Amino acid sequence: EPEVTQTPSHQVTQMGQEVILRCVPISNHLYFYWYRQILGQKVEFLVSFYNNEISEKSEIFDDQFSVERPDGSNFTLKIRSTKLEDSAMYFCASSEVQLRDSNQPQHFGDGTRLSIL
Amino acid sequence: LAKTTQPISMDSYEGQEVNITCSHNNIATNDYITWYQQFPSQGPRFIIQGYKTKVTNEVASLFIPADRKSSTLSLPRVSLSDTAVYYCLVGARGFQKLVFGTGTRLLVSP
Repeated sequence: EPEVTQTPSHQVTQMGQEVILRCVPISNHLYFYWYRQILGQKVEFLVSFYNNEISEKSEIFDDQFSVERPDGSNFTLKIRSTKLEDSAMYFCASSEVQLRDSNQPQHFGDGTRLSIL
Repeated sequence: LAKTTQPISMDSYEGQEVNITCSHNNIATNDYITWYQQFPSQGPRFIIQGYKTKVTNEVASLFIPADRKSSTLSLPRVSLSDTAVYYCLVGARGFQKLVFGTGTRLLVSP
């Protein structure tokens, strides 16, 4: 079964540094998402991306964050000037074309654990 | 997006059927009901989705009454590997963001 893959599985970074989290969505999917989950807390939506632009973003997704689809397979989340509170699991997800009378589920990767020191 | 309410935790034993009920009184006409499962240190995994009546796949069944104000996820004959957090989500139409609650933590014991 096709799956969403994320790298690295664990990233340790000094506060203030920039990090790039990478995702390879399922190949025929056109919608991409990033979520995060702080330890012991809920999974939170960050951003959705379609047709090379952001479709929706949450309040968490401020100017510190950016997303990019640099080529036909990768989808990246960049966090500039990281803070201690950015420590979390970051999940990438993708879904197929959304039809008006059905709802395509989102498929998640297993995440990148980001630790800010 | 409709608010959902589900039990914080449930306990079961191997081989039993587990039913997790979710309330969503404010569900909209076009909303779907979707359930995800999450194991520790893994991403949520889609289990099942429905709009009304009953849906069954190889993993679970989803029962939705006519008023659609609640739904029940049924896991037949659970095993230890079904220990996870189960999330009920309502809405998630098109490519809208998924809004996760705290879910139901299911613990399956031998």
